[in-house]
Amino acid sequence: DGGITQSPKYLFRKEGQNVTLSCEQNLNHDAMYWYRQDPGQGLRLIYYSQIVNDFQKGDIAEGYSVSREKKESFPLTVTSAQKNPTAFYLCASRPDVSNQPQHFGDGTRLSIL
Amino acid sequence: QKEVEQNSGPLSVPEGAIASLNCTYSDRVSQSFFWYRQYSGKSPELIMSIYSNGDKEDGRFTAQLNKASQYVSLLIRDSQPSDSATYLCAFLVSSNTGKLIFGQGTTLQVKP
Repeated sequence: DGGITQSPKYLFRKEGQNVTLSCEQNLNHDAMYWYRQDPGQGLRLIYYSQIVNDFQKGDIAEGYSVSREKKESFPLTVTSAQKNPTAFYLCASRPDVSNQPQHFGDGTRLSIL
Repeated sequence: QKEVEQNSGPLSVPEGAIASLNCTYSDRVSQSFFWYRQYSGKSPELIMSIYSNGDKEDGRFTAQLNKASQYVSLLIRDSQPSDSATYLCAFLVSSNTGKLIFGQGTTLQVKP
């Protein structure tokens, strides 16, 4: 089945630890995005990538890092510099065609131990 | 700062009624608008896209766009308890990057 797969579903982070969230898509989409959602809030853009080996900061990039070594994959690392990482993390993708919408994976819920 | 404003609700309607969800946006240039539905604990799901002024209907859903007033709405006819969710409005900031700006969402409760 074509889609966007995020793993794990739930993740726990200890103090001072970096954790990596996986996002894989088999839709042949060029652009991929990472969002953070806090309870009762809308989505805030962390990073996005339009092509392999290139990515751009979104509105809240501090404390996060990404890579885009393959078209299908866009992992997000939540570093120890992110002091309030507890949130619902959503990965999205879209084809590189002007006004097309983004489609989302199922999300990863990150909590602090 | 480009923004989207939505009433957070909750908006409560009886089963079978019409639910009306509204959204205003600040960017006069945007040409593309989207409605996403998000069930509690789940990820957003695209339910409607609208690109030109007027109405667009898809089953029980109708999206309405008024670019002059910078206003987009979503009507849900014959509301069902399964429609109870948070509805997120979004507009496309750049067709080149595909960046979206999202509203905070309106929570809809459909009471049996």
